[in-house]
Amino acid sequence: QQQVKQSPQSLIVQKGGISIINCAYENTAFDYFPWYQQFPGKGPALLIAIRPDVSEKKEGRFTISFNKSAKQFSLHIMDSQPGDSATYFCAANQAGTALIFGKGTTLSVSS
Amino acid sequence: GAVVSQHPSWVICKSGTSVKIECRSLDFQATTMFWYRQFPKQSLMLMATSNEGSKATYEQGVEKDKFLINHASLTLSTLTVTSAHPEDSSFYICSAQPGGTGQPQHFGDGTRLSIL
Repeated sequence: QQQVKQSPQSLIVQKGGISIINCAYENTAFDYFPWYQQFPGKGPALLIAIRPDVSEKKEGRFTISFNKSAKQFSLHIMDSQPGDSATYFCAANQAGTALIFGKGTTLSVSS
Repeated sequence: GAVVSQHPSWVICKSGTSVKIECRSLDFQATTMFWYRQFPKQSLMLMATSNEGSKATYEQGVEKDKFLINHASLTLSTLTVTSAHPEDSSFYICSAQPGGTGQPQHFGDGTRLSIL
């Protein structure tokens, strides 16, 4: 049973556009929702994370929107750049447990 | 801060060889470390959770005698793939969590294992 569902699987965005990736979770005990960015041959790097007590968090060009009632959260990348081309993973966990990852979204930003 | 170092980054070896992968937290103490496996163009799949000084907890379907995990100190965990075979070829990634709940997990850069 997949506990974190991520969409879309791949995304092509023009330079300067907005990239949006969505995730849905099932376990209401989850209390931490990070997004990771991974380049080929590298480990995932934490981009931004949110906890369920807030509905939105913004760090630079990256924003997480969180909807607790719908059990959904999304990543928005504003002013997308070619350097943002990577695979993005949403994840979730309960404090002290391993992260459960979505299946990933491959983002390509065309210049 | 919060750097996790994984070594080696790439290893190629013959079938039947045992391979040890090290995961170190360089600037923090990690009470808990996690080992993941990632196949090409797929997500990270949790293999096991290791807590310092105790036996690792393996996920269903992961052979504990095949993938030996040791977490002997607060800064080092090792994964040994015993008698490796071509089907064990994969990208192995560790993550470490600083002590205390609610702390983010930090990932190493992974080890690409290729078994000939």
